[in-house]
Amino acid sequence: NAGVTQTPKFQVLKTGQSMTLQCAQDMNHNSMYWYRQDPGMGLRLIYYSASEGTTDKGEVPNGYNVSRLNKREFSLRLESAAPSQTSVYFCASRETGIDTGELFFGEGSRLTVL
Amino acid sequence: AQSVTQLGSHVSVSEGALVLLRCNYSSSVPPYLFWYVQYPNQGLQLLLKYTSAATLVKGINGFEAEFKKSETSFHLTKPSAHMSDAAEYFCAVGTGANSKLTFGKGITLSVRP
Repeated sequence: NAGVTQTPKFQVLKTGQSMTLQCAQDMNHNSMYWYRQDPGMGLRLIYYSASEGTTDKGEVPNGYNVSRLNKREFSLRLESAAPSQTSVYFCASRETGIDTGELFFGEGSRLTVL
Repeated sequence: AQSVTQLGSHVSVSEGALVLLRCNYSSSVPPYLFWYVQYPNQGLQLLLKYTSAATLVKGINGFEAEFKKSETSFHLTKPSAHMSDAAEYFCAVGTGANSKLTFGKGITLSVRP
């Protein structure tokens, strides 16, 4: 069972470089999310996609863009990386229309911006 | 608006002792509540969830949580800690089928031999 798959797992960037984090889920979920995790800050929502073709800003969207490529895939792009974007990024998916729908998480992508 | 408060960032218990991790929430409508666990270098996985069916919720690995509306709390407990319980624990709140989940800042649980 693959669940939610994120790539890459590790990445080091220099300030100003760009990169895309990829996420794919095989559970046929409608909703997908990108969170970042920083020490003492918990998980903060960057962007989410309630369904294919829609995306919305979360709590900390500045410096990021997203693309919901199809129902399975939701990518996160850093156009010009900054040291403040050093973090662990988690993709998650969830079935909507179900009151108790839980989030299923990928294993994370650890990004360091020098 | 919804929010979650997890007081303290670190809890340390002895193996075999009671585990109590506190979570208080704020929500203007009846909430859905979740506890997630994160082991080192892994993603988050669901421990248990409250969906209004029963106030005492049992989860995996012997954990349980009780929803107390009057106290706006959803504390996580386990009668006897095991070394394998050492991890970070997150409480989260949602308010509807299509709502976003809001996470607390997490609590790191250490278990002493």
